Amino acid sequence: QPQLQESGPGLVKPSETLSLTCTVSGDSISSSSYFWAWIRQPPGKGLEWIGNIYYSGNSYYNPSLESRVTISVDTSSNHFSLSLKSVTAADTAVYYCARTMVRGSNAFDLWGQGALVTVAS
Amino acid sequence: IVMTQSPGTLSVSPGERATLSCRASQSVSSNVAWYQQKPGQAPRLLIYGASTRATGIPARFSGSGSGTEFTLTISSLQSEDFAVYYCQEYHNWPPLTFGGGTKVDLK
Repeated sequence: QPQLQESGPGLVKPSETLSLTCTVSGDSISSSSYFWAWIRQPPGKGLEWIGNIYYSGNSYYNPSLESRVTISVDTSSNHFSLSLKSVTAADTAVYYCARTMVRGSNAFDLWGQGALVTVAS
Repeated sequence: IVMTQSPGTLSVSPGERATLSCRASQSVSSNVAWYQQKPGQAPRLLIYGASTRATGIPARFSGSGSGTEFTLTISSLQSEDFAVYYCQEYHNWPPLTFGGGTKVDLK
């Protein structure tokens, strides 16, 4: 049964860089069938797609965040990571990692439990 | 592409039918998914391709529509169905976009 698990600091200071890792278990991140994604949800609000990455390293970002976001993949460790720089209070959210298919439906069929990241001094 | 969901809140009694709407700002063909999210949990995929139920999703959930108008129907609401529901388009990305959500609560 494939699973995703987010990890990283729960508190980040304004202007610093938010860093999270998603560990994939029960599946290979090197599968040619999937993109691996980050999605966030501010408290009490809706969902915002941050970006997708393929095992080869090809990545796709939300234009609204592209200047501050980097998603990377480590196939040897079976995990992928999110880096969001110059954070403000508006970046406070639950950050989810997720999986979506490369061909056919780009719906997110597998999600991590989410990690709350608070931006505060 | 902007996805607009209505209503914002839907009050329904158990056993009743619930109809949720999602409108796209331009045609997205059938490239729409629906998710259910309960408090403190990650979203769960219900429907993809506008009308195909995901693995393990009960038959009381159905999706319809194409182009710009989409509907999620819960034929007979169960107590475990009270949640927030989101639509998402994946027609021409990036970006991938979600609707603002519809909360289904107890009437």
